[in-house]
Amino acid sequence: KQEVTQIPAALSVPEGENLVLNCSFTDSAIYNLQWFRQDPGKGLTSLLLIQSSQREQTSGRLNASLDKSSGRSTLYIAASQPGDSATYLCATRGAQKLVFGQGTRLTINP
Amino acid sequence: EAGVVQSPRYKIIEKKQPVAFWCNPISGHNTLYWYLQNLGQGPELLIRYENEEAVDDSQLPKDRFSAERLKGVDSTLKIQPAELGDSAVYLCASSTGRTKGWTGELFFGEGSRLTVL
Repeated sequence: KQEVTQIPAALSVPEGENLVLNCSFTDSAIYNLQWFRQDPGKGLTSLLLIQSSQREQTSGRLNASLDKSSGRSTLYIAASQPGDSATYLCATRGAQKLVFGQGTRLTINP
Repeated sequence: EAGVVQSPRYKIIEKKQPVAFWCNPISGHNTLYWYLQNLGQGPELLIRYENEEAVDDSQLPKDRFSAERLKGVDSTLKIQPAELGDSAVYLCASSTGRTKGWTGELFFGEGSRLTVL
């Protein structure tokens, strides 16, 4: 059974810093890994999708990497802004379904 | 292009009452998912539809929860009777079917927040 873990559960950094969010998973037999952002009281917004054959994906200030052999993915946020404050969730897709981590609650302080 | 639409956004009911949530997926998306999200947790799958067929409902508490997707488009999730522990956010998501070029990317709606008193 796949288990997805995100550490830390919460992170607070000053504006302008570069930061890394971590995601680990126990079963490397995944089809893809997806990073989401969730604002309070809102649904999930897809940020980046990495297929199992890929090593990384980039969108603007965001870069996500995938290392299946070690069961890890990282989301790198460059030059953080207060608007980046949200909960970030990663999810792995196995044969049929998505398994989510519990998320990292990120706060960017002006 | 419209995203996944859910209603109602918020619902407050007393325990033992019934409640229903509606979801309209992105046009052309054959696969529809209902997820449950408790506060501070990641979403957990309740049921997955491929067109009108429920292909994975192993996590759906069938004694009180039911779902349908009669024409393979809109879907309804029902709880009857609701219990205090059902207070949570119910998320609907959709993705394209497994055709050539399928990426497996999921798109979520805003969710329906249920409070059971």
